[in-house]
Amino acid sequence: TQLLEQSPQFLSIQEGENLTVYCNSSSVFSSLQWYRQEPGEGPVLLVTVVTGGEVKKLKRLTFQFGDARKDSSLHITAAQTGDTGLYLCAGPSGGSYIPTFGRGTSLIVHP
Amino acid sequence: EAGVAQSPRYKIIEKRQSVAFWCNPISGHATLYWYQQILGQGPKLLIQFQNNGVVDDSQLPKDRFSAERLKGVDSTLKIQPAKLEDSAVYLCASSRQGANTEAFFGQGTRLTVV
Repeated sequence: TQLLEQSPQFLSIQEGENLTVYCNSSSVFSSLQWYRQEPGEGPVLLVTVVTGGEVKKLKRLTFQFGDARKDSSLHITAAQTGDTGLYLCAGPSGGSYIPTFGRGTSLIVHP
Repeated sequence: EAGVAQSPRYKIIEKRQSVAFWCNPISGHATLYWYQQILGQGPKLLIQFQNNGVVDDSQLPKDRFSAERLKGVDSTLKIQPAKLEDSAVYLCASSRQGANTEAFFGQGTRLTVV
């Protein structure tokens, strides 16, 4: 099983601050996905990265896939209270397409 | 497009009792997943169906958990008998077949075993 480790586990910041969360593995992934999960809801896909070194932007969110395809980062610029949630990275496990999730980073943005 | 529907939303049972969860995936999605999410952790895959066949159930505790997907559409997940450590949110997701496809999740069923 390919493990995905996410850091930090918890993050509490003020509105307007910038932040970066990380997803790391010792294994190479063909692709990685980032999901956001709000309390009482299921995860919702934010982005899929497939090419080493790839950078994708989604409004104030910037996603990067490492050159070696073993790690990924999510950077949020000028965080808003609506960004509060659990950020999960997921990658296909064992050569299949089954998404395997990391433990997530729980983000709280205070007004 | 209707999303993934799950029921019930909440369930409280005593240990050693049985419980069943129901999932209706998005129409046309061949792949259906059941995940268990314990508080503070990411979702853990329990079982994956492709149409009505099982693709992966390696992490399903088969002595107490069972799942079926009759006719390749709706699915049920059953726990019998439940243990305290089964307290978690059970998430159902569905996706189209293929690599890097988006998994759409339901709201989940929050199970509390007392």
